[in-house]
Amino acid sequence: GAVVSQHPSWVICKSGTSVKIECRSLDFQATTMFWYRQFPKQSLMLMATSNEGSKATYEQGVEKDKFLINHASLTLSTLTVTSAHPEDSSFYICSGGRYYEQYFGPGTRLTVT
Amino acid sequence: AQSVTQLDSQVPVFEEAPVELRCNYSSSVSVYLFWYVQYPNQGLQLLLKYLSGSTLVKGINGFEAEFNKSQTSFHLRKPSVHISDTAEYFCAVRGAQGAQKLVFGQGTRLTINP
Repeated sequence: GAVVSQHPSWVICKSGTSVKIECRSLDFQATTMFWYRQFPKQSLMLMATSNEGSKATYEQGVEKDKFLINHASLTLSTLTVTSAHPEDSSFYICSGGRYYEQYFGPGTRLTVT
Repeated sequence: AQSVTQLDSQVPVFEEAPVELRCNYSSSVSVYLFWYVQYPNQGLQLLLKYLSGSTLVKGINGFEAEFNKSQTSFHLRKPSVHISDTAEYFCAVRGAQGAQKLVFGQGTRLTINP
């Protein structure tokens, strides 16, 4: 149990375009979802925390107008990278919070050309 | 606020040898502690967690960890490793109360050599 999926698993987009990443909790309701960014050979950096039906809380230094997060239901959160640039290329991982734990999705590899 | 330090960025060991991955944390409140494993281009998989109770925690794949409050440590151990244990390992901490936000260590790259 407690499975989280992400779609797409990888995406290539051109500079200046926007891309949306979906995160779904498949067999549980996640009142809180988390979005992380991971650069090669580095740890996970928390970008934002989203609660169902309310605005996301962004970590310091994360541009909320660039990384739009929507938590429309208890099983779905989306991250939209707007006007993407090559420096936004990274591995994006979401997680769903349940009781004391977070359950992580498989990640989305974003490459901006 | 909490912080985590993983003392080794890389740990090479031979197959069937024991291994210990070290993790120290800092917190002014009670904590929950976690170890995750990440294989290349994948998300994180929970190995084990400490919430309360017995300080020796057993997890999946033969791993175990011991919570030491006085030394603020949560080291991960396995008595005999396999090639398939080659991966990145992350220690994480969160406060026992309040928000679920996790703080991650920098990771330890475990490489198993035949």
